[in-house]
Amino acid sequence: DVVLTQTPSILSATIGQSVSISCRSSQSLLDSDGNTYLYWFLQRPGQSPQRLIYLVSNLGSGVPNRFSGSGSGTDFTLKISGVEAEDLGVYYCMQATHAPWTFGGGTKLELK
Amino acid sequence: QVQLKESGPGLVKPSETLSLTCTVSGFSLTSYHVSWVRQPPGKGLEWMGVIWGDGSTAYNSALKSRLSISRDTSKSQVFLKMSSLKTEDTATYYCARGRDWGQGVMVTVSS
Repeated sequence: DVVLTQTPSILSATIGQSVSISCRSSQSLLDSDGNTYLYWFLQRPGQSPQRLIYLVSNLGSGVPNRFSGSGSGTDFTLKISGVEAEDLGVYYCMQATHAPWTFGGGTKLELK
Repeated sequence: QVQLKESGPGLVKPSETLSLTCTVSGFSLTSYHVSWVRQPPGKGLEWMGVIWGDGSTAYNSALKSRLSISRDTSKSQVFLKMSSLKTEDTATYYCARGRDWGQGVMVTVSS
């Protein structure tokens, strides 16, 4: 199974600070169809996960453009350009290139 | 609009079988996949399995021997059945389609 390793596990930030989360895969996530099925989710406390980014770098509907995704192959990054209070929670990457699909261990974004 | 809603028992005894239902609206099960994801209290997300539009399935390797996902397209429902429950299966169970997730249902495994 593909293992996704997220770093850091905890991220302390101030409002307005820009931060990045890394997601590294044990195998390339480039599919034979040319797509890379790497997604980013945010789970706020007490809520269901919300998909932020799909296919590495595509912003989900209604997601603020301070969120951006990048990467290829085995290395991926989620960047928040100017953290806002509503961004606090746990971020997960997920791959759907290889069955079974898998999630990263999560990165908790908290206020410094 | 797309909606998914999980339902099922809140409490199940160890060694018993868990049965959950995901009722969807706003899309056809023959056109889109639906996944099940669970989250133990205070822990991360665990992908459990998926049923594709053509009815085929794929499962988490660690759960494969105990897990079954099926559907009733006429009722727009997806079913999860997991046997031989253990206390470690206590979790919130979600069904999801892409960006759309249900609210989740909390299941406690306890005697």
